[in-house]
Amino acid sequence: DSGVTQTPKHLITATGQRVTLRCSPRSGDLSVYWYQQSLDQGLQFLIQYYNGEERAKGNILERFSAQQFPDLHSELNLSSLELGDSALYFCASSVTVGPGSGYTFGSGTRLTVV
Amino acid sequence: GENVEQHPSTLSVQEGDSAVIKCTYSDSASNYFPWYKQELGKGPQLIIDIRSNVGEKKDQRIAVTLNKTAKHFSLHITETQPEDSAVYFCAAWDFGNEKLTFGTGTRLTIIP
Repeated sequence: DSGVTQTPKHLITATGQRVTLRCSPRSGDLSVYWYQQSLDQGLQFLIQYYNGEERAKGNILERFSAQQFPDLHSELNLSSLELGDSALYFCASSVTVGPGSGYTFGSGTRLTVV
Repeated sequence: GENVEQHPSTLSVQEGDSAVIKCTYSDSASNYFPWYKQELGKGPQLIIDIRSNVGEKKDQRIAVTLNKTAKHFSLHITETQPEDSAVYFCAAWDFGNEKLTFGTGTRLTIIP
């Protein structure tokens, strides 16, 4: 157990639907990162939050949004889902922002869009 | 921003032999380089990291080397075992965007 909790572990939904993925960071970590990993692909950075504020954005589609709440948990919202959105979505957390802040990853949410 | 290239994309090694994975980075300001191991169905796990003030770091069968001049770093796994089979990701700290930039991954298969 890495200390980063992601729910649900698996999600199957239809095209056009909306889903919410949840992440609880490791205790004491203020920064949360979201990554998308498609089949046999690398880790695509989506978005980062630090202590409730959006810090950096990657290749995140406009159909996707995220937020970090006062208790530091984060949610990634995916709407108008398409078949191509099927992927593993990982959340990672770190103590702060800066070099040397190693990321701790959760075990991911596998999203299947049918 | 930082750009990280990783090679090879796949690597098969006989059990007991050594494996080497190489990464290059573009931003000379980068000073932190972690390596992650992702086993099937799991999230990536940090296995070793190196900072730019050292050239090599070892942890049992795993070592990482860094050449700042050439802007490349490598992961070395000696005496490989079946449990080393996984996807390995290198990363470099992107000062401009204040985040880690990951390589594209190497699928390592240990052949018994």
